[in-house]
Amino acid sequence: NAGVTQTPKFQVLKTGQSMTLQCAQDMNHNSMYWYRQDPGMGLRLIYYSASEGTTDKGEVPNGYNVSRLNKREFSLRLESAAPSQTSVYFCASSEERGAAGELFFGEGSRLTVL
Amino acid sequence: GEDVEQSLFLSVREGDSSVINCTYTDSSSTYLYWYKQEPGAGLQLLTYIFSNMDMKQDQRLTVLLNKKDKHLSLRIADTQTGDSAIYFCAEVIWGNTGKLIFGQGTTLQVKP
Repeated sequence: NAGVTQTPKFQVLKTGQSMTLQCAQDMNHNSMYWYRQDPGMGLRLIYYSASEGTTDKGEVPNGYNVSRLNKREFSLRLESAAPSQTSVYFCASSEERGAAGELFFGEGSRLTVL
Repeated sequence: GEDVEQSLFLSVREGDSSVINCTYTDSSSTYLYWYKQEPGAGLQLLTYIFSNMDMKQDQRLTVLLNKKDKHLSLRIADTQTGDSAIYFCAEVIWGNTGKLIFGQGTTLQVKP
């Protein structure tokens, strides 16, 4: 049982380049999330999708777009990468949005923007 | 506003108890969580407590909740080197997308 799978695990970009982080979950969860983790700042929610076909902004959505391709997959796109987007990105899923549902996290994607 | 605060670092000796503290600001929080992040990995749920509870115990873990002071703590008894990790507290807020608000994380260092 793979759980939440993110690709790629590592990526180096130049300022202005674009890229897409892929996320897939095999737990039939309704809700999926993208977080970024920066030292001393915990995890901040970028976007989330409460169910297939819906997406909503989190705390720090600027510079990102998302697509909930189907129930399994939720991708995060950086259209024009900036050094401020250097971070570790985590995808997560849960059966229910927020409430006592446990979030299951992927292993993270470490992105460096030069 | 929504804010969760934790101290950034705690160092203990193997076999001692560890207490990791967290304060939150939103009184409407319904569930409060503790997650553990080991090096190079994602977060895993350790335990959670519903806001109408004062205490929850699960083997070596004890969670204490003081709603009046909006203070949450995680006590790890007989701390082992394998407990070295970053510990995040988080709150979920009803009526606001049900999203989780995470603290900054406390790095627990366990010395042999």
